[in-house]
Amino acid sequence: KAGVTQTPRYLIKTRGQQVTLSCSPISGHRSVSWYQQTPGQGLQFLFEYFSETQRNKGNFPGRFSGRQFSNSRSEMNVSTLELGDSALYLCASSLVADTQYFGPGTRLTVL
Amino acid sequence: GENVGLHLPTLSVQEGDNSIINCAYSNSASDYFIWYKQESGKGPQFIIDIRSNMDKRQGQRVTVLLNKTVKHLSLQIAATQPGDSAVYFCAETVSPGGKLIFGQGTELSVKP
Repeated sequence: KAGVTQTPRYLIKTRGQQVTLSCSPISGHRSVSWYQQTPGQGLQFLFEYFSETQRNKGNFPGRFSGRQFSNSRSEMNVSTLELGDSALYLCASSLVADTQYFGPGTRLTVL
Repeated sequence: GENVGLHLPTLSVQEGDNSIINCAYSNSASDYFIWYKQESGKGPQFIIDIRSNMDKRQGQRVTVLLNKTVKHLSLQIAATQPGDSAVYFCAETVSPGGKLIFGQGTELSVKP
């Protein structure tokens, strides 16, 4: 089975722009979670989607949003980018509510 | 790596020795725990998990121990190899598949 895939792998944006990241879960997995990883804060939970519905949400501002499609693929969007949004964004998938498997991440740099 | 700024605890071991990585978790209501390994430039890789109704679980060369009384989790790696060099994270959640709360990570360095 193919693992979790994320696109793009690297992105460079400037402050004020918006960005959309994409995640394709492992085939058959219906839950997709997003995490932000930074040197200062470590790994932090953003949100989780299951059957196209947001099921859990972390403590991030409303500039961070996401969605899930009927094929379980998910996107996250960050609007009005700030320098502090530079991070590795990780997507993880699970069957329903069990072990989460991570993709390689998207490295976002905000200049 | 991703966590240089956190001043990660570092464990340095000789190849062939056993490694023990410790983790204190935060929520007494957590009932599912996972260990992940993250190599530079990659996403976290699942190693082993354990549910709160168990206190020990073994995998291939790895063992996880759970002490709910003191909210402590440990990962033991037998016969550590250079390929085990990575940052190791423990994660906890109240229910499997929900929001994972990660520890700060421990950097394991294996000397050949």
